[in-house]
Amino acid sequence: GAVVSQHPSWVICKSGTSVKIECRSLDFQATTMFWYRQFPKQSLMLMATSNEGSKATYEQGVEKDKFLINHASLTLSTLTVTSAHPEDSSFYICSASGGRDLYEQYFGPGTRLTVT
Amino acid sequence: RKEVEQDPGPFNVPEGATVAFNCTYSNSASQSFFWYRQDCRKEPKLLMSVYSSGNEDGRFTAQLNRASQYISLLIRDSKLSDSATYLCVVLNSGGYQKVTFGTGTKLQVIP
Repeated sequence: GAVVSQHPSWVICKSGTSVKIECRSLDFQATTMFWYRQFPKQSLMLMATSNEGSKATYEQGVEKDKFLINHASLTLSTLTVTSAHPEDSSFYICSASGGRDLYEQYFGPGTRLTVT
Repeated sequence: RKEVEQDPGPFNVPEGATVAFNCTYSNSASQSFFWYRQDCRKEPKLLMSVYSSGNEDGRFTAQLNRASQYISLLIRDSKLSDSATYLCVVLNSGGYQKVTFGTGTKLQVIP
């Protein structure tokens, strides 16, 4: 149990375009979802935390208007990278909590974004 | 001081060896602690939660020392398949869940 899916798994887009990444909890209701970014050979960096039905809480240094997060239901959260630039190229991973153990996070497989 | 600190390694150990990692955290009010394993280019996977009383799962033992604000992970009888990066995770809840990852400790088990 506690499966989280992410779509797409990888995407290549041109500079200036927007990309939407979906994160779904498949077999549990995710009261909280997290979005992370990971650059090569670095650890995960938390970008934002979102609770269903409320605005996301962004970490310091993360631009709210650039990384739009929507957590419309207990099973779906989306991250939209607006006006993407090459420096946004990264591995984006979502996680969800709210499964059997409220404090355990279950990670999606990640989305590799390349902006050309 | 970083919120969560780990020795990045790499730790190169022979098969069958016992290896231990430590992770220190700065917020004394931190509530929950976890060890995750991350293979190259993959998402992290939960290895084990760390309870105040300690937690053992097969060859893996996790300990929490609140007084000194660190958690540890001990791996006995290392296998080649244990080669990965081990991430320490600290969770604080106060209004919303705040999750902080350590930078990870890389383990390479050598034949």
